[in-house]
This record gives sequence, C-alpha cells and structure tokens, in this order.
Amino acid sequence: AQKVTQAQTEISVVEKEDVTLDCVYETRDTTYYLFWYKQPPSGELVFLIRRNSFDEQNEISGRYSWNFQKSTSSFNFTITASQVVDSAVYFCALSEAGGTNTGNQFYFGTGTSLTVIP
Amino acid sequence: EAQVTQNPRYLITVTGKKLTVTCSQNMNHEYMSWYRQDPGLGLRQIYYSMNVEVTDKGDVPEGYKVSRKEKRNFPLILESPSPNQTSLYFCASSLAGSYEQYFGPGTRLTVT
Repeated sequence: AQKVTQAQTEISVVEKEDVTLDCVYETRDTTYYLFWYKQPPSGELVFLIRRNSFDEQNEISGRYSWNFQKSTSSFNFTITASQVVDSAVYFCALSEAGGTNTGNQFYFGTGTSLTVIP
Repeated sequence: EAQVTQNPRYLITVTGKKLTVTCSQNMNHEYMSWYRQDPGLGLRQIYYSMNVEVTDKGDVPEGYKVSRKEKRNFPLILESPSPNQTSLYFCASSLAGSYEQYFGPGTRLTVT
C-alpha cells in the first residue's frame, strides 16, 4: 500500500488563483515527520517544510501555507495568489524512524504537477 | 558553498557493465540517502545511511549496493546494471534528527 498518496497528478490554475495540493499519508508510528518538496522544471529538489507528528499547528510562510490534520492523516499545501514561478512538481513525503541506529526511512508521494497559466 | 555533489551527471552504459555513481557532501551531515525518480512513481528510496559503516535498505534496494566508509561520501554501486535501472538518481544528506534533506543535482542513467 502506498504510504503517501497524492491523488492529484496534474493541476492547472490561472495566475493569482489559490490552489491546494492534497497529501494523505499512512503510518503506524506515533513519531514521524512530514515534508513538502518542490521540483521546478530545472530538476532540482527544494525543501519547503518539515512537520513532526506532535505539532499540528498550521504554518504560513508568505504565500504558502500547510494544513496538518492527524485525524484525517492529511498534510495539505496551499499556495495563495499563485504565480508562474510556482509551476513545478510538488512532492509530499513521510519519514518514519527505522532501527535505533539506522536512521529514518523516507516515502515520497508520486507528486503533483502544478502549472500556473499567466 | 554547502552542497551535495553527484558524478557523473549523465551516464549511458550497457547491460552488465559495473558502474559507480559518487555522492559527496560538505556539510558534515550524518544522514545520507539515495533515491531514484521514475515517471508516475515519484521518488523511491534505495538505501540510506545514518553514519559511517551504518547503512540500511530503503524501498527498492534490489540491484544496488552502497558503502559509507567516510562521512562525506556515499557512493551508489550497480554491479550489473539492467535496463530497468534506467532512471534519474538523487543523492541527499541531512543532519541527524533534522531530516531536512539537501539533494544533489541528480544523475540521469540510461542502461541499454
């Protein structure tokens, strides 16, 4: 079973519209981390946010905001007033603790390709 | 400049010819990891390492080997590459406990 599901494969919006990217995760661990990464057309992967399982506070960073809800196992990402530069593939990821000395294993979703039309 | 470097960036090879993709980071990070990215599948973790001589399998380790003899380096070894290992490979590193991974630029591998 997929541990991280990003059901939206592709989304297109017109510039200045708001858009929400959905992420649903599955884990039995009580301690885990959630992440969002951005992959622009140039191909690099850019870290956007990390959230741990004990912190359900929503976070806002400029036009970006994240909504973490443990009750629905979701960690959604909203871009307000989208811009052309937001066009990218966005990945949600889950990290679970591995063995005591081996570090955390990561699971990425399949990504959502966002196109912002000028 | 803090960075993760990978070499080579592009590689075309033939089935069965052993190859190594190098990964190096200059941030003194404990955690390093390898991923492959394939269309429609996102990123999948191959191997990860928490420290020197400590490695563990990710989701898709078959056909790959790694070693962590030095903290800064984490090479990915394909002993006998096959066409299904054609992919875009990323190396990443982070501080222990942070897991905010810094990614390398990627290595595009084609196996014919």
